[in-house]
Amino acid sequence: NAGVTQTPKFRVLKTGQSMTLLCAQDMNHEYMYWYRQDPGMGLRLIHYSVGEGTTAKGEVPDGYNVSRLKKQNFLLGLESAAPSQTSVYFCASSYGGGELFFGEGSRLTVL
Amino acid sequence: TQLLEQSPQFLSIQEGENLTVYCNSSSVFSSLQWYRQEPGEGPVLLVTVVTGGEVKKLKRLTFQFGDARKDSSLHITAAQPGDTGLYLCAGTDNYGQNFVFGPGTRLSVLP
Repeated sequence: NAGVTQTPKFRVLKTGQSMTLLCAQDMNHEYMYWYRQDPGMGLRLIHYSVGEGTTAKGEVPDGYNVSRLKKQNFLLGLESAAPSQTSVYFCASSYGGGELFFGEGSRLTVL
Repeated sequence: TQLLEQSPQFLSIQEGENLTVYCNSSSVFSSLQWYRQEPGEGPVLLVTVVTGGEVKKLKRLTFQFGDARKDSSLHITAAQPGDTGLYLCAGTDNYGQNFVFGPGTRLSVLP
């Protein structure tokens, strides 16, 4: 029972490099979310999706793009990484209005 | 923008003590959730409260939702080292799509 799986778990980038974080869920949830967690600031919503083929901006979307081509996958892309994007990224899924199920997080460092 | 504040930010207590942490907002939420997060893991749901004035108990944890659905509290009786972690509150909007998180209370229970 995998739940929500994030890859990679750790990544170090240089400023200006690009990368994609992959989130996969096996619970057939409609809703998926990407959050970033920084010390003292809790979880801030980057982008979310309410179904396959749909995406919407959250609280802090600048510098990130997302895609939801398949219901079970939600990709978060950084086109040109900046040191301000150093953070721990969490993916979550939900059946809608209920419990959020989180992955274990992806720690990204941008030098 | 809906904001949630949590207090205290940090709390260090001895095993067996009681404690209360608070989650406050100037906004009304359709429901409020409490999550606990341990180092290196994603948050895990503890409880969801929906009705103003609602009180829920989970073993030694008691959760209360304010009458106006703007605030909540978490009370732990006879804290144990296993209660150590980051406690996050999250409010949901009327559509159940967006979850707004507070910055968290980091609890340390010393044996």
